[in-house]
Amino acid sequence: SQQGEEDPQALSIQEGENATMNCSYKTSINNLQWYRQNSGRGLVHLILIRSNEREKHSGRLRVTLDTSKKSSSLLITASRAADTASYFCATDADQGGKLIFGQGTELSVKP
Amino acid sequence: DAMVIQNPRYQVTQFGKPVTLSCSQTLNHNVMYWYQQKSSQAPKLLFHYYDKDFNNEADTPDNFQSRRPNTSFCFLDIRSPGLGDAAMYLCATSRGQGYYEQYFGPGTRLTVT
Repeated sequence: SQQGEEDPQALSIQEGENATMNCSYKTSINNLQWYRQNSGRGLVHLILIRSNEREKHSGRLRVTLDTSKKSSSLLITASRAADTASYFCATDADQGGKLIFGQGTELSVKP
Repeated sequence: DAMVIQNPRYQVTQFGKPVTLSCSQTLNHNVMYWYQQKSSQAPKLLFHYYDKDFNNEADTPDNFQSRRPNTSFCFLDIRSPGLGDAAMYLCATSRGQGYYEQYFGPGTRLTVT
């Protein structure tokens, strides 16, 4: 069964606005990762947050993790047209390195 | 500068004709993964190698096989491609298992005619 589910499925915003994407999962995890995928390309790792961490920042990215609610959010501040991509959360549940990806959020940032 | 390389980027094969996709890495990572991603869907793990140890996902069809002759290279063999196997195939690597990020190649888009 699918581990991660994301919402919204699609998000359209103007350049300069913030974008928030949410991810929910079903079982206990060791860590949760966020990846970006530009159209027709491979995935690029953005950030990894461990199960004992609550918040992490990387540049314009802010990730939160609430293990009690089994959910995570990715915030992109001051978005740019170049942020247009699909964003996936992925969970590592068994320490085996096996990631289970959510369905993704398709973000469109209009200039 | 390329770290995970996949060849070819686009592959067209005929229904039932065996096809091999290749992946190489310059990162010297222990773990290599193959994912299948269909349009507007999440990447789905097919199998992975930790060094030479092969780990197949339970729901990966027998039609899909893999080889890892050395640390740098990994191959995905599709013995008898069906129309449903048309997808993007993504190779990824990681230094180890557990708290490690994965590095993805650009993918090979497979078309089955």
